[in-house]
Amino acid sequence: EIVMTQSPATLSVSPGERATLSCRASQSVSSNLAWYQQKAGQAPRLLIYGASTRATGIPARFSGSGSGTEFTLTISSLQSEDFAVYYCQQYNNWPPDSFGQGTKLEIK
Amino acid sequence: EVLLVQSGAEVKKPGATVKIPCKVSGYTFIDYYMHWVQQAPGKGLEWMGLVDPEDGETIYAEKFQGRVTITADTSTDTAYMELSSLRSEDTAVYYCANSYNSGFLNNWGQGTLVTVSS
Repeated sequence: EIVMTQSPATLSVSPGERATLSCRASQSVSSNLAWYQQKAGQAPRLLIYGASTRATGIPARFSGSGSGTEFTLTISSLQSEDFAVYYCQQYNNWPPDSFGQGTKLEIK
Repeated sequence: EVLLVQSGAEVKKPGATVKIPCKVSGYTFIDYYMHWVQQAPGKGLEWMGLVDPEDGETIYAEKFQGRVTITADTSTDTAYMELSSLRSEDTAVYYCANSYNSGFLNNWGQGTLVTVSS
């Protein structure tokens, strides 16, 4: 089983600033890594797949990077609607059963 | 527009069974796997299992093996998740979500809250 570990658990950032979220896999998942955003009371939404490809309709301020075991989600110039919980998920191994525990991005 | 529409909230007693539908539209049902994800109150996402609607093949997470059954009805483009022997720890929101061959979850249902209480 691949274990996904996200850090930090909570990140406090001011609007307009940059946020950097991390995700580590317990073994290599190549570039088979997705990021999801979940706002309070809503279903998760796909942001990034293939470690760095934005899903349809996702603004360019969201970017993903990394491969192997270390991944980063960067949100440049935070908007009010970006404050949410973010999850990473590996899909290198089938079934794709491993999510990270989430990072809560809150307003500083 | 791709839509995955789930049923409304349910309240069940311990030991009961719940069956949640997920009706899809806007894409070819058999072309995408359907996954189910559990989210307990204030907690993260936990993958439960998937079904391949084309042939009905399923894979379940070890944690739910023996209690969960995921099916797909191609006549109505609806997937179902049935969870039996419910206990208080099963109180959660349950989401359906589809994926193409790769495994990342493209589209999500709105979620169904299941409350298990005596």
